[in-house]
Amino acid sequence: QSVLTQPPSVSAAPGQKVTISCSGSSSNIGSNYVAWYQQLPGTAPKLLIYENNKRPSGIPDRFSGSKSGTSATLGITGLQIGDEADYYCGTWDSGLSAGVFGGGTKLTVL
Amino acid sequence: EVQLVESGGGLVQPGGSLRLSCAASGFTFSTYWMSWVRQTPGKGLEWVASIKRDESEKYYVDSVKGRFTISRDNAKNSLYLHMNTLRAEDTAVYYCVREGGYSYEIWGQGTMVTVSS
Repeated sequence: QSVLTQPPSVSAAPGQKVTISCSGSSSNIGSNYVAWYQQLPGTAPKLLIYENNKRPSGIPDRFSGSKSGTSATLGITGLQIGDEADYYCGTWDSGLSAGVFGGGTKLTVL
Repeated sequence: EVQLVESGGGLVQPGGSLRLSCAASGFTFSTYWMSWVRQTPGKGLEWVASIKRDESEKYYVDSVKGRFTISRDNAKNSLYLHMNTLRAEDTAVYYCVREGGYSYEIWGQGTMVTVSS
């Protein structure tokens, strides 16, 4: 079991919006920044969102992040076929002194 | 161009050892925390270890404590993961990662480690 909890899969039609949740606890999400990663099939993960809601250079504003208490959410608007990937949330757990990830969410664009 | 290139993966028997290397380029290696993250085929991501800029702090996931050692050579712009007493459950793709913005900012392409007899 992963320390952070994500839904195994989500799906939506092209052009629509989808959200992916990430649930944790006071020792991880509740007290540290959250990041989101996109892993396209057969490739290494790529940073999508850092410090809860900031986008690295080159990441379109269709991707957004938010955090409230011990949960975080990734939002993707204007879905494209190319967005089909696995998405992971991650943060530091101060109680474990360890990095932690969610189990990943597979996004299908129908 | 910022780049991380892993090497050293391969097939090893249970109980064996392996050393992974990561060559960094395109940035000032000595100013960044670095980490190793692994991914079992078809499964999710697992953080393995992190090391501070000057090696004064190191952190490990419980399952590798006492068996794996993370180290770095800032003069050679290189990160290492020394893996001993390998188990079947250590089989995974191992990624070298640069930390930044409280996140895993830059990822290498990964190197596969297979532990099997």
